Amino acid sequence: QVQLQESGPGLVKPSGTLSLTCAVSGGSITGSDWWTWVRQPPGQGLEWIGEVYHSGSTNYNPSLSSRVTISVDKSKNQFSLKLSSVTAADTAMYYCASELPGAARQFDSWGQGILVTVSS
Amino acid sequence: QSALTQPASVSGSPGQSITISCTGTRSDVGGHSFVSWYQQHPGKAPKLIIYDIIKRPSGVSNRFSGSTSGNTASLTISGLQAEDEADYYCSAYTGASAPRVLFGGGTKVTVL
Repeated sequence: QVQLQESGPGLVKPSGTLSLTCAVSGGSITGSDWWTWVRQPPGQGLEWIGEVYHSGSTNYNPSLSSRVTISVDKSKNQFSLKLSSVTAADTAMYYCASELPGAARQFDSWGQGILVTVSS
Repeated sequence: QSALTQPASVSGSPGQSITISCTGTRSDVGGHSFVSWYQQHPGKAPKLIIYDIIKRPSGVSNRFSGSTSGNTASLTISGLQAEDEADYYCSAYTGASAPRVLFGGGTKVTVL
């Protein structure tokens, strides 16, 4: 089971771009298929943002797809999230996650999460 | 509004069994075996407790069990303990043809 750690700014201005990175340790990013971002607004439920394959292929939540870019950097063993044109509605805890081997899109490894607030 | 429907809250006394439902459609819960459940304590990341509808990851108590019937998945917690008080989320993967991961709105379990 790999360890995941999110990093990035905790405060983003409205209309700006949210940028987060998830560092993978205890294993190679090529050792799992899909790498995922999930968010959770304060006091609310979980929302799948999207995923990236270690080859670079991506799938996104249709409700966010026009603003989301997820990429992978194999040389640094990390993957990243960019969310553009943010508003207060994008304020949330952002988690990166990886799937249990052989269990499609069922996540046994999670980062601790990073709270991102959208405010001027 | 979440893609999968869960009750907002369920409660039970220590030692009792409780069941949480998760209703989707033929395209997600009813159409694939990729159904999972997560436990989340306040301020913590979600923890996988059931995957592939009925399987438990290593280290997860056998008091947790999963099942499905049609488009509804269920999580049963038997022998309820104080430590089980948490939020529980179901999740379903829609398959490779239209890949998407759906979550339920979450159920708050209270141990009375």
